[in-house]
Amino acid sequence: KNQVEQSPQSLIILEGKNCTLQCNYTVSPFSNLRWYKQDTGRGPVSLTIMTFSENTKSNGRYTATLDADTKQSSLHITASQLSDSASYICVVSASTGGSYIPTFGRGTSLIVHP
Amino acid sequence: NAGVTQTPKFRVLKTGQSMTLLCAQDMNHEYMYWYRQDPGMGLRLIHYSVGEGTTAKGEVPDGYNVSRLKKQNFLLGLESAAPSQTSVYFCASSTPLAGTGGIGELFFGEGSRLTVL
Repeated sequence: KNQVEQSPQSLIILEGKNCTLQCNYTVSPFSNLRWYKQDTGRGPVSLTIMTFSENTKSNGRYTATLDADTKQSSLHITASQLSDSASYICVVSASTGGSYIPTFGRGTSLIVHP
Repeated sequence: NAGVTQTPKFRVLKTGQSMTLLCAQDMNHEYMYWYRQDPGMGLRLIHYSVGEGTTAKGEVPDGYNVSRLKKQNFLLGLESAAPSQTSVYFCASSTPLAGTGGIGELFFGEGSRLTVL
């Protein structure tokens, strides 16, 4: 069964600090992995996509990594801001066998304190 | 460009009442999805559609029905609402991702908050 596990479940950091969120998956065969940011009361929005051949991708202060061999991804946030407070959701898509149904992690809730 | 629009945004129902949530997308996407989000549970798939006139059950389909008569619209119906259906409902749309066999970016609506008393 395809699964996506995220850790930690929640995280509190001070403004300006860095943090790293983890995502482990068992989805196979792998197509792509996306990190979404969901602000309170809003729908999720895509931050970055990782395909099989990509190891690292940056989007401003967000850097995602992918290790396809160990089936792990991380999202690193640099110099956190109050606006980074949100839920971060890892979503993995398979390439065949129900590829139109992505598998969601439960998310990591990040709170950035001033 | 409106993207994905959900109506209504808020609704309060009494147990046993029926209602329909409407999702409209203007991106000509093939795939459309309905999710519910409850505290601590993440997003769970209710029903989905891979094209006009086709629908399929997701992870938690009981108590819900859907229809996709037009490509741009995906309707979610509750025939007899129950308190357990109190939740925030999200609609999303997407397309196949070229070259990989998976799906592209999911575009979500702003959510519909439903309370069943």
